[in-house]
Amino acid sequence: DAKTTQPTSMDCAEGRAANLPCNHSTISGNEYVYWYRQIHSQGPQYIIHGLKNNETNEMASLIITEDRKSSTLILPHATLRDTAVYYCIVGPTGRRALTFGSGTRLQVQP
Amino acid sequence: GAVVSQHPSWVICKSGTSVKIECRSLDFQATTMFWYRQFPKQSLMLMATSNEGSKATYEQGVEKDKFLINHASLTLSTLTVTSAHPEDSSFYICSASTLLAGGTDTQYFGPGTRLTVL
Repeated sequence: DAKTTQPTSMDCAEGRAANLPCNHSTISGNEYVYWYRQIHSQGPQYIIHGLKNNETNEMASLIITEDRKSSTLILPHATLRDTAVYYCIVGPTGRRALTFGSGTRLQVQP
Repeated sequence: GAVVSQHPSWVICKSGTSVKIECRSLDFQATTMFWYRQFPKQSLMLMATSNEGSKATYEQGVEKDKFLINHASLTLSTLTVTSAHPEDSSFYICSASTLLAGGTDTQYFGPGTRLTVL
């Protein structure tokens, strides 16, 4: 599976958009980009995933560059409850085990 | 979204005893479930892949005789930590994949089980 690179930590003001970047320059054609988050002492929560098109759901938007070498997760209006570690994971399908990196620790500030 | 549950959510046991953790997919069937382990301030590490009706596949360095996995039905996988020791204290998390509307398999995770071995 392709490796991802994410910033170690980010801060965001409450009510503002949080933009979390992820580099995955070795992604292959059949690999999806998945985003999960983990709030302290809980299991990871699925957020969104995509292959090459931008995606949006009730939680977030996923913007994937045209060459698919990077992506950005956007939380449009961050709240304090969005404080968590966000993991960007690349893989061929959800049927395979996911390889977790270190993720980005997002701290939403009041 | 799909729901995965785990039981118990936390457990404290004495060294040398065995502990069973259950992972259930509540509203879907899962032929494959995964077990992860997370130590404090570290990321999740895959322990094993649990296959319904067959033997689990363990990651390198994970003792299959110590971490017994049984996937007896399409909605239940169990992880038994045998002869637990303090170094087995960790956060154990399971996951299962299901096909979302739109046709892509996605993994959903349980809430985790915190094991403390005294």
